[in-house]
Amino acid sequence: AQRVTQPEKLLSVFKGAPVELKCNYSYSGSPELFWYVQYSRQRLQLLLRHISRESIKGFTADLNKGETSFHLKKPFAQEEDSAMYYCALSNFNKFYFGSGTKLNVKP
Amino acid sequence: SAVISQKPSRDICQRGTSLTIQCQVDSQVTMMFWYRQQPGQSLTLIATANQGSEATYESGFVIDKFPISRPNLTFSTLTVSNLSPEDSSIYLCSAVQGEKAAFFGQGTRLTVV
Repeated sequence: AQRVTQPEKLLSVFKGAPVELKCNYSYSGSPELFWYVQYSRQRLQLLLRHISRESIKGFTADLNKGETSFHLKKPFAQEEDSAMYYCALSNFNKFYFGSGTKLNVKP
Repeated sequence: SAVISQKPSRDICQRGTSLTIQCQVDSQVTMMFWYRQQPGQSLTLIATANQGSEATYESGFVIDKFPISRPNLTFSTLTVSNLSPEDSSIYLCSAVQGEKAAFFGQGTRLTVV
């Protein structure tokens, strides 16, 4: 069975500091992994997906199959990055989400 | 990209009643799903809404409690039946187009009193 784990419920950093939101997964097949973000009073939206290998809003995430991780990173956090972040795994288009990490970027 | 509209955005319902949530996508999609997000928790997949046939439910969810319809490629409904306070949650509709990632409606916040 698939499982996504985000160990941190809350992560607080100062503006300009590096950020790393952790995500680990368990899945028997070849996973497709995503990060979704939910800003205050907005709907859940895609931030990035591992197969795209792109950087969105300065965020990157690398799939590490050996460590079964897909951590989200940004070198310099901005206040507007404050939001709820969810790591998700897709299995035939069904998405399974981690419990989420609330990122709070302080001025 | 496509946009999902959910109605109602919120509702307060009495115990024992039912609530039907509508999900409308502004373009045809491959797949549609329903999720539940209980207070302080993550999203849990309830079922896959199949066009023209019965929905496929995840473990722990049954058709009698969560009947789902999907009459065409752009519309689906989720009914939460025989409501109890434990059903108070946010219910989210999601869709997938081809190889793109899932996108979501704004959610329906249900409070059962």
